[in-house]
Amino acid sequence: DQQVKQNSPSLSVQEGRISILNCDYTNSMFDYFLWYKKYPAEGPTFLISISSIKDKNEDGRFTVFLNKSAKHLSLHIVPSQPGDSAVYFCAASAVYGGSQGNLIFGKGTKLSVKP
Amino acid sequence: KAGVTQTPRYLIKTRGQQVTLSCSPISGHRSVSWYQQTPGQGLQFLFEYFSETQRNKGNFPGRFSGRQFSNSRSEMNVSTLELGDSALYLCASSLAQNEQFFGPGTRLTVL
Repeated sequence: DQQVKQNSPSLSVQEGRISILNCDYTNSMFDYFLWYKKYPAEGPTFLISISSIKDKNEDGRFTVFLNKSAKHLSLHIVPSQPGDSAVYFCAASAVYGGSQGNLIFGKGTKLSVKP
Repeated sequence: KAGVTQTPRYLIKTRGQQVTLSCSPISGHRSVSWYQQTPGQGLQFLFEYFSETQRNKGNFPGRFSGRQFSNSRSEMNVSTLELGDSALYLCASSLAQNEQFFGPGTRLTVL
């Protein structure tokens, strides 16, 4: 059973517009969430994270929102750039449950930003 | 600061053989985690080592094992290789309970 779900396998947006990538989770023990970006033949690159005590975290063009009651998080990229085209993975861990080294990943969303 | 390095980058083996993959974490990072990425299953957690001790383990058969050395470098071993073990094996290191930083991976092909 998938504990972290990214229901959209792909997303296409126009350059300069907002990209919104969504992620749902089922395990209420998760208390730390991360987004990674991955290019083919490379390891995932860390983008941004959020602790469950927050509902928003920003870093430049990237903002992550967490809705604990809905067990939902989203990554907003504004403005989107062609270089953002990659596969984005949502990941979660139960840090205070002693599983901080174990990230549970969604299956990814392939973002295409068109010029 | 150098990133996570993994060797070798590519490996071809035949069924029944064994393989050892190596990972050098970012300097100062004491936690090393291993993941398997396949097209069908995505990224799946294998195990995590911290201070030479396995701290967490994923749902993989005993053919998959690992260890960590006193300098935090880690190795994973897969014995009696099966076709289904063909995957990208990723290693990640972290400082504490924070973000994990991934290496480029080792692409293993089992023929």
